Amino acid sequence: GQQVMQIPQYQHVQEGEDFTTYCNSSTTLSNIQWYKQRPGGHPVFLIQLVKSGEVKKQKRLTFQFGEAKKNSSLHITATQTTDVGTYFCESNSGYALNFGKGTSLLVTP
Amino acid sequence: SQTIHQWPATLVQPVGSPLSLECTVEGTSNPNLYWYRQAAGRGLQLLFYSVGIGQISSEVPQNLSASRPQDRQFILSSKKLLLSDSGFYLCAWSVIQYEQYFGPGTRLTVT
Repeated sequence: GQQVMQIPQYQHVQEGEDFTTYCNSSTTLSNIQWYKQRPGGHPVFLIQLVKSGEVKKQKRLTFQFGEAKKNSSLHITATQTTDVGTYFCESNSGYALNFGKGTSLLVTP
Repeated sequence: SQTIHQWPATLVQPVGSPLSLECTVEGTSNPNLYWYRQAAGRGLQLLFYSVGIGQISSEVPQNLSASRPQDRQFILSSKKLLLSDSGFYLCAWSVIQYEQYFGPGTRLTVT
């Protein structure tokens, strides 16, 4: 399967600061998906990236797929307390799904 | 619209007891179905997936089993729970393979 590693494991920011989480693989990824899980909740699908160098935006969130398709990032501009949660990247090869261990974001007002 | 149900929401079971968690999906046909476990609020471990009735693939050997008796029903079972089976169990469905929708989950504590 296509293993993915996420860093950092935890991030604590002040409200208004930016946040970035990274997803890396030693192999070329077919695609990358990002999910958000609020504390006590279940993961929610955010976006999929497929093309080399692809950049997609959702309001304050910017998702990027590396040119070599071996890494991806999620950047949040001017974090808000509603951004609190764990962000997971996931890549699949066929039906084999590989989730990163996630980055837990804590935002203090 | 599609919805996914899981029950129970929480469960406390003694070691050695059986387990049955149920997941049902509404509003879609022939979905791919998945069971995940999440330990200590961290990463998601894929346990089983199913692409059709009676078709189950296991990702991790363990004392758990899964069944899909109907198109939109997915059941996770165990004959004898272990302490290490504690965790947050999530069912998910997808039609487009990469876009999964998760149920609310079951928090299982084995005592």
